Amino acid sequence: QKEVEQNSGPLSVPEGAIASLNCTYSDRGSQSFFWYRQYSGKSPELIMFIYSNGDKEDGRFTAQLNKASQYVSLLIRDSQPSDSATYLCAVTGPGGADGLTFGKGTHLIIQP
Amino acid sequence: GAVVSQHPSRVICKSGTSVKIECRSLDFQATTMFWYRQFPKQSLMLMATSNEGSKATYEQGVEKDKFLINHASLTLSTLTVTSAHPEDSSFYICSDPCSREGYYEQYFGPGTRLTVT
Repeated sequence: QKEVEQNSGPLSVPEGAIASLNCTYSDRGSQSFFWYRQYSGKSPELIMFIYSNGDKEDGRFTAQLNKASQYVSLLIRDSQPSDSATYLCAVTGPGGADGLTFGKGTHLIIQP
Repeated sequence: GAVVSQHPSRVICKSGTSVKIECRSLDFQATTMFWYRQFPKQSLMLMATSNEGSKATYEQGVEKDKFLINHASLTLSTLTVTSAHPEDSSFYICSDPCSREGYYEQYFGPGTRLTVT
């Protein structure tokens, strides 16, 4: 049974600071790793995806993957109040095109 | 990324009725789509994999006779909740895996909120 663990929060970060979100996964065969942002009552929105060990940057977002430690993280620089949402970590299996296994999500609050 | 639409966005029905939810891929021809549900205050759970032209694959614990999936074309998958009961009230979301550089990204539709009274 694949498991994805996240701290549910809430994680409170001052506006302009860096928000750091963490995720661990149990299946060493997992191939693809995703971060989604979900606003209350809305569908998840893809923020970042990462497949290789190391860092991947896209604008204010940086995803970090360490397969040896089975650890994925998301950094949000210059946090804005609009970044306040629940962030979901998701992984696929070895097939890559499998359905996603989600963590429970971290509720992020950016304080103005 | 892929654009995925769902219809209806919200439905309220009485216990015992059946509800059909449509998921359309607007950008890509999707041979595979995924159906998820999300109960209040919980995360998304994969229900089933919808395969164009063949039977859907259901996750453990999901009743295939209750959640009927049809994927008759490359752009449309439907989920029918048969004889719905209040415990089926949930947020149902489909996704379209989009291949890019040999890997698959998954984009979600806007979701359908089902309330069974």
